[in-house]
Amino acid sequence: DAKTTQPTSMDCAEGRAANLPCNHSTISGNEYVYWYRQIHSQGPQYIIHGLKNNETNEMASLIITEDRKSSTLILPHATLRDTAVYYCIATGGSNYKLTFGKGTLLTVNP
Amino acid sequence: GAVVSQHPSRVICKSGTSVKIECRSLDFQATTMFWYRQFPKQSLMLMATSNEGSKATYEQGVEKDKFLINHASLTLSTLTVTSAHPEDSSFYICSARESSINYGYTFGSGTRLTVV
Repeated sequence: DAKTTQPTSMDCAEGRAANLPCNHSTISGNEYVYWYRQIHSQGPQYIIHGLKNNETNEMASLIITEDRKSSTLILPHATLRDTAVYYCIATGGSNYKLTFGKGTLLTVNP
Repeated sequence: GAVVSQHPSRVICKSGTSVKIECRSLDFQATTMFWYRQFPKQSLMLMATSNEGSKATYEQGVEKDKFLINHASLTLSTLTVTSAHPEDSSFYICSARESSINYGYTFGSGTRLTVV
């Protein structure tokens, strides 16, 4: 797995967009970027993943730079329930596994 | 969507006893499941990869004789913590991926193990 670097913590106002950055400068060509989040004392929840194109689903958008060395997860309208630790993971291959770093603690404030 | 059920959600056991944790994929078949452990205020640590019909692959530093993993069917993997000690108290989480779809792994809700 490629090493990822994320800020330790971020704050966001309720109703505003939350933009969470992730650096993965050593990502290889077959590795995807996955985003998960973990709300306290629960199992991680899948958010989104992508290879090189930007992706959007009902939860979030994923913007990947053209050189694929970094990405940004966007929660368009953050709510208090989005307060969680967000993990960015770069991994791939036929039998890939998810290795979690320290993630970013996003706190959404009222 | 894919659902992974983990049971029990909480367990308290006496030191020296064994505890079994079950992880089930409810609506898909999972040839591979993963087991993680998480201590307070820390990230998830991968313990082992569970493969249906074969031996589990353990990460470096994880005692395979202490953490027994069985993946006897495509929908069930179990983790048994043998001769549990207080230092084994932790949050254990499993995950599974439907083999036919390029999708993110689905995680169980976790098991809080307390050894007294």
